[in-house]
Amino acid sequence: DADVTQTPRNRITKTGKRIMLECSQTKGHDRMYWYRQDPGLGLRLIYYSFDVKDINKGEISDGYSVSRQAQAKFSLSLESAIPNQTALYFCATSDSTGFGYGNYGYTFGSGTRLTVV
Amino acid sequence: AQTVTQSQPEMSVQEAETVTLSCTYDTSESDYYLFWYKQPPSRQMILVIRQEAYKQQNATENRFSVNFQKAAKSFSLKISDSQLGDAAMYFCAYKNYGGSQGNLIFGKGTKLSVKP
Repeated sequence: DADVTQTPRNRITKTGKRIMLECSQTKGHDRMYWYRQDPGLGLRLIYYSFDVKDINKGEISDGYSVSRQAQAKFSLSLESAIPNQTALYFCATSDSTGFGYGNYGYTFGSGTRLTVV
Repeated sequence: AQTVTQSQPEMSVQEAETVTLSCTYDTSESDYYLFWYKQPPSRQMILVIRQEAYKQQNATENRFSVNFQKAAKSFSLKISDSQLGDAAMYFCAYKNYGGSQGNLIFGKGTKLSVKP
């Protein structure tokens, strides 16, 4: 099993619908992140969570919300999807020691490709 | 705030040749990490190489090496003996040193094509 699992892998939804993207991890990391990737824009941070009770907005949080249900689970919601939220979404994890010896930092899931029509 | 700039949206290289991808960054910090990630069509994000800013020696991983110029805030990736499997998006990324210091910041990416 993958260390960081994202579901669904692909999703098509209609404008105005509520949608949730889910992420779970077996790394035992306390920090989790949601990034959005758009062509020509790279990856941009939406939300991040340093532990279950610590959730923070990233660079582009408008239109999104998150829930950290447990240390291992971090979900991203689009309350009312719009076409410009069509993108590839990545969940990532890291541990609180940052980048200590032998720790190469972030572990990424395989992404959710979301299309809003 | 820190920024990462990749000025080459697309690059192309002949198989077995060498190619260099450019990356510059802006920061007022003295301790930080720099990374190159590879994203093949499978879309998985794969760490290629990393560099700690306090290290003067350039990092090397097999056919991948970097040219880290701290004063110039430049961090280029050299791929030697290019292979078809090197075709991918490559992202340069920055992070402040220390677990509590900021998050991973990405450049916009460079799409590398490898010609047989």
